[in-house]
Amino acid sequence: GNSVTQMEGPVTLSEEAFLTINCTYTATGYPSLFWYVQYPGEGLQLLLKATKADDKGSNKGFEATYRKETTSFHLEKGSVQVSDSAVYFCALSDRPGANNLFFGTGTRLTVIP
Amino acid sequence: DAGVIQSPRHEVTEMGQEVTLRCKPISGHNSLFWYRQTMMRGLELLIYFNNNVPIDDSGMPEDRFSAKMPNASFSTLKIQPSEPRDSAVYFCASTLVAGELFFGEGSRLTVL
Repeated sequence: GNSVTQMEGPVTLSEEAFLTINCTYTATGYPSLFWYVQYPGEGLQLLLKATKADDKGSNKGFEATYRKETTSFHLEKGSVQVSDSAVYFCALSDRPGANNLFFGTGTRLTVIP
Repeated sequence: DAGVIQSPRHEVTEMGQEVTLRCKPISGHNSLFWYRQTMMRGLELLIYFNNNVPIDDSGMPEDRFSAKMPNASFSTLKIQPSEPRDSAVYFCASTLVAGELFFGEGSRLTVL
């Protein structure tokens, strides 16, 4: 089946610290991978995506590389800001062109000044 | 451009009452999704539509839940009768590009 496993939260970091949120996946096909972010009181927003092995998605200083050999798509940022405090969701679509996504459970990040 | 618009933003009702949640997707998007988010179960896909046709409703909890999409610009999610365990935030999302969902701000439902 298709599933996404994220690291347990919550994660608390000081401003300017390095961030890694782990995500591994199981898929029957050749999935596309996504990171979504949910700020307090809002809906989810697409943060970045990668559609094939070795692709790197990036946006707003965040990066994630599609690693087929380790079935992983870890989210990283070199220097977090207080405004990055949110819940981060890893997700996959199980085949090209598929609209429905399988979401992980989310990881809450709090950045303190 | 307007994003996905959901109403109401908040609803408090009593057990047994009918609840109707509404969604207006982004114009031109051809797929629409209803999700439910709770602390215990996280984000769950309830149902999604392609070109107004329900494609997968396997996530709908039971017969008390129903969803319709009478046209490309409107969808409803109805719960009748409502129960306390239905309390959650319900999100509508739409998309044109596979996997790139645009979410509304959600409808927070509390059933007493």
